[in-house]
Amino acid sequence: DQQVKQNSPSLSVQEGRISILNCDYTNSMFDYFLWYKKYPAEGPTFLISISSIKDKNEDGRFTVFLNKSAKHLSLHIVPSQPGDSAVYFCAASANTGNQFYFGTGTSLTVIP
Amino acid sequence: DVKVTQSSRYLVKRTGEKVFLECVQDMDHENMFWYRQDPGLGLRLIYFSYDVKMKEKGDIPEGYSVSREKKERFSLILESASTNQTSMYLCATKRRDPPYEQYFGPGTRLTVT
Repeated sequence: DQQVKQNSPSLSVQEGRISILNCDYTNSMFDYFLWYKKYPAEGPTFLISISSIKDKNEDGRFTVFLNKSAKHLSLHIVPSQPGDSAVYFCAASANTGNQFYFGTGTSLTVIP
Repeated sequence: DVKVTQSSRYLVKRTGEKVFLECVQDMDHENMFWYRQDPGLGLRLIYFSYDVKMKEKGDIPEGYSVSREKKERFSLILESASTNQTSMYLCATKRRDPPYEQYFGPGTRLTVT
């Protein structure tokens, strides 16, 4: 059973606009969330994280929002750039433990 | 700079063969992981190790085993490869302490015919 879900397999956005990638989870014990970016033929690379004690974390053009009551997090990329075109995975863990649960990924295409 | 290397980028094996996938890290991280990535299923954890000679099953350990004899090396073994094990295999490492992000290798695309 998928505990972390990314319901949009793909997303296309114009360069310069905002990209919003969404992620839902079912396990209320999850308290640490991460986003990874993956280019073809490469392993995922860490992008940004958020702890459940926060509802927002920002790093440059990337902001992650966490809504614990809705069990929902989102990644905002502003402004979007063609180099952001990649597959984005969200991941969650409980008690910052060793097992991370990944979503199925959203493929972002930023159109120049 | 953090580095995780995997022994092969592409591998083709026959059904029934024993397959070894090797992962080496140079970050002195305690935790190491093996995932497989399949379309529509995301990354699924096969096994992880939190110390030398220690291992824990992930969500899909059936048909796989692992070995961690040294801190820097974590091997995934397919005892008798089957076609449903055709997949992208990703190794990752993580420190025991914060920050908690994982560092991934480039992946091995395994095809079992």
